[in-house]
Amino acid sequence: EVQLVQSGAEVKKPGESLKISCKGSGYIFTNYWIGWVRQMPGKGLEWMGIIYPGDSDTRYSPSFQGQVTISADKSISTAYLQWSSLKASDTAMYYCARSFIAAAAMDVWGQGTTVTVSS
Amino acid sequence: EIVLTQSPGTLSLSPGERATLSCRASQSVSSSYLAWYQQKPGQAPRLLIYGASSRATGIPDRFSGSGSGTDFTLTISRLEPEDFAVYYCQQYGSSRGKTFGQGTKVEIK
Repeated sequence: EVQLVQSGAEVKKPGESLKISCKGSGYIFTNYWIGWVRQMPGKGLEWMGIIYPGDSDTRYSPSFQGQVTISADKSISTAYLQWSSLKASDTAMYYCARSFIAAAAMDVWGQGTTVTVSS
Repeated sequence: EIVLTQSPGTLSLSPGERATLSCRASQSVSSSYLAWYQQKPGQAPRLLIYGASSRATGIPDRFSGSGSGTDFTLTISRLEPEDFAVYYCQQYGSSRGKTFGQGTKVEIK
């Protein structure tokens, strides 16, 4: 079964760093792009960026460029989304999802990781 | 950045009725790189339609997509109880970002 399994919920304080993960299984991880999508409480979906684990080619939405870092470790079929200094406005659900090419729809989604940033 | 505007914001219908959802782009979406997703409360989105009109694996044929250029439509021919959810369109052809629309909620009337 093709799956993306994300790391568990996080509660952090403003200014802290964080790295959440997304592990793929049931398919060749390096053959698909992994994208990240933010959903703030009660709001819609926002595309953040995408990475090709095969060569770590990474592209960001202009809205998220410089705010987060997307990376991947193909040896363990895992993609990451990280922050160096969290803000309260980073409180959201974060989803990873795969696509066959960069210009393709996202056909398999992770279950989501809730990030709460509060003092 | 391509902006997608979905209408209406909320659609109130009864089971068995036809639902028509609209997604309009601020500029032409190349090669019909337009997808539709369904999201139910507490769940991740699910891909319904890609390439503007192709159904994803396992999606019932009551869901259909159409359109090109800047105007796209998702039609649910006969609403089933499990279809009441929020629907998002997404363009994924632009190198400057794969934006989503703001969503249309289909609720039970």
